[in-house]
Amino acid sequence: SQQGEEDPQALSIQEGENATMNCSYKTSINNLQWYRQNSGRGLVHLILIRSNEREKHSGRLRVTLDTSKKSSSLLITASRAADTASYFCATAGRGYNQGGKLIFGQGTELSVKP
Amino acid sequence: GAVVSQHPSRVICKSGTSVKIECRSLDFQATTMFWYRQFPKQSLMLMATSNEGSKATYEQGVEKDKFLINHASLTLSTLTVTSAHPEDSSFYICSGTSGAQETQYFGPGTRLLVL
Repeated sequence: SQQGEEDPQALSIQEGENATMNCSYKTSINNLQWYRQNSGRGLVHLILIRSNEREKHSGRLRVTLDTSKKSSSLLITASRAADTASYFCATAGRGYNQGGKLIFGQGTELSVKP
Repeated sequence: GAVVSQHPSRVICKSGTSVKIECRSLDFQATTMFWYRQFPKQSLMLMATSNEGSKATYEQGVEKDKFLINHASLTLSTLTVTSAHPEDSSFYICSGTSGAQETQYFGPGTRLLVL
C-alpha cells in the first residue's frame, strides 16, 4: 500500500524559479529517498536522508525531514526546463523484516517552462 | 551509479499468452531485486521482493501464480506474467540493491500491452 502523500500533485513554474514538493508518510522510517522519473522511463535516485538527519543538500537540491510531523520536502533551486519530470518520495521502513522495501508516494509532476 | 537493464523495453501480446521480462544488474551483484508496477499517471506499486536463490515475497493482493518471479543469479531476475489479460497492461519496473545498501537502482521499465 502507498503510505506517502505528496503535494502538490502538479506544479508548473518558470525557469529560474524554485520548486518545492512535499511528502508526508504514516509509519516510522529508517530513511526517506527522493527519486525522479522522466515520462515513460525508469527512476533516478536523487537523494537519501536518514531518520536522524534534518537537512541534506546535493547540488541544486535541498531535502528536509521532520520526523515529528512525518514529512519531508524537496526544494529544487534555480529550476531548468530539463528538471521537468515526476518526483517521488519513498520511505524505507524500520525493522529487520522490511528487507529494504520502499513505499512510494503518489508523486509530483513538475513542469518547468523555458 | 549502478546500472540495471530490462528487456524487452516494450511488448505487445495477445490475451492468454505469457510474457517474460528480464531484469539485469550490469555492474553490481543484486542480492535483492524488487518488481514494481506503475499504471499511467500513478505511483509505483511494489509487487514482490526477490532475494537471490530464494522464493520471492509477494505483496498483499499480488497473485504469485500469475506473476512468477525467478532470481536465479546475482545479476538476473525474471518476471513472467502468465495468461496475461488486458488489465495486466502496465509499466513494469525492476530495481536492484546490493548487500546492506539503502539505495535501489532502477531499470528503465518494460511497457506491456495486452490486446
